[in-house]
Amino acid sequence: ETGVTQTPRHLVMGMTNKKSLKCEQHLGHNAMYWYKQSAKKPLELMFVYSLEERVENNSVPSRFSPECPNSSHLFLHLHTLQPEDSALYLCASSYIPGQRSYNEQFFGPGTRLTVL
Amino acid sequence: QKEVEQDPGPLSVPEGAIVSLNCTYSNSAFQYFMWYRQYSRKGPELLMYTYSSGNKEDGRFTAQVDKSSKYISLFIRDSQPSDSATYLCAMSAYNTDKLIFGTGTRLQVFP
Repeated sequence: ETGVTQTPRHLVMGMTNKKSLKCEQHLGHNAMYWYKQSAKKPLELMFVYSLEERVENNSVPSRFSPECPNSSHLFLHLHTLQPEDSALYLCASSYIPGQRSYNEQFFGPGTRLTVL
Repeated sequence: QKEVEQDPGPLSVPEGAIVSLNCTYSNSAFQYFMWYRQYSRKGPELLMYTYSSGNKEDGRFTAQVDKSSKYISLFIRDSQPSDSATYLCAMSAYNTDKLIFGTGTRLQVFP
């Protein structure tokens, strides 16, 4: 595997279900991100982990819970979601600022989530 | 006012046309300007990166930044059907991990 991988690629869940999204990066990066992509909206940054510490949480509802057990893996745990949470969830990774002059983020293919 | 404004399109052009994609922004602290390309059912991939003002060329692609007008552009020469994708502009201030994205412009190049 190369780059950034995400599983599952598609997920349909009911509002009462609990599920998890998984992201793995094979690039030796030390920062990882979760984004939400909805139609006709900019990518919304949800969470940032730098050196496995959460450094940003952009007012995301508590029904989304991230976990970063090491610098290569990132999870997004989902529970009691709403239909408006249906979107493409993208994971990205990069070097932390200061190690490179700019923040080039490498994205995974995303998980298409549908909440019924 | 949004930090970054981008016309969502769609933009439909014939093969061989010159395409111009644009974004405006409001935050004068932005120093790094990027264009990502996103094919259907894929994640965004970095296409071009520019630091501060000026032009940068890479093959058929040219990125321009005008910081005085807070305006960035991506030009695609001799457009090909394989260029059909959504193009997202992104920008950041110095030494930050936060990228601010535009909504993306969907481009279709027809043969």
